Amino acid sequence: AQRVTQPEKLLSVFKGAPVELKCNYSYSGSPELFWYVQYSRQRLQLLLRHISRESIKGFTADLNKGETSFHLKKPFAQEEDSAMYYCALRGGGGNKLTFGTGTQLKVEL
Amino acid sequence: DADVTQTPRNRITKTGKRIMLECSQTKGHDRMYWYRQDPGLGLRLIYYSFDVKDINKGEISDGYSVSRQAQAKFSLSLESAIPNQTALYFCATSDPTRGGHTGELFFGEGSRLTVL
Repeated sequence: AQRVTQPEKLLSVFKGAPVELKCNYSYSGSPELFWYVQYSRQRLQLLLRHISRESIKGFTADLNKGETSFHLKKPFAQEEDSAMYYCALRGGGGNKLTFGTGTQLKVEL
Repeated sequence: DADVTQTPRNRITKTGKRIMLECSQTKGHDRMYWYRQDPGLGLRLIYYSFDVKDINKGEISDGYSVSRQAQAKFSLSLESAIPNQTALYFCATSDPTRGGHTGELFFGEGSRLTVL
């Protein structure tokens, strides 16, 4: 069985502070990990995927297979980063994604 | 603009009533999904469909049924709604044949269902 854990329901940081949203997974095979984001009044959308090794809106995430983690990081938080963030894992066939419970990021001025 | 559209956006109903949530997409994607979102539980997969003839149960399919009327349409039904089915429901699409198997899901805006 595959499982995604996001231990923090709410993370509050000040503007300009570093951000780290934690994500741990459980999967016996070779996983593919994603971060999705839901801004207020907008649709859930893909933020980044580990395969691409890209930086989107200043966010990066590195897959650490030893620690089974895929934490989302940004060095300097901006007000517009306030949103709900979901970590997701794709394992096995069918392009089914298993989502974590989400972390609400609040960036305060 | 290619899109994923859900109707209705909001619905309040009573216990025991039959409810249908509809999803249509103009993206031309083969794969469609229904998720429900609950506070503290994240998104959980209800049903998914790879094409018109292929329907599969997700992790929480009990109490739900689906119909894939066409490539572009995927409906979710609650035959006899109960209060713990109160949630935000999302339809999503994907197409692994385009641009590689990227895993990206494209979501609708959600349908908020309240069962009294």
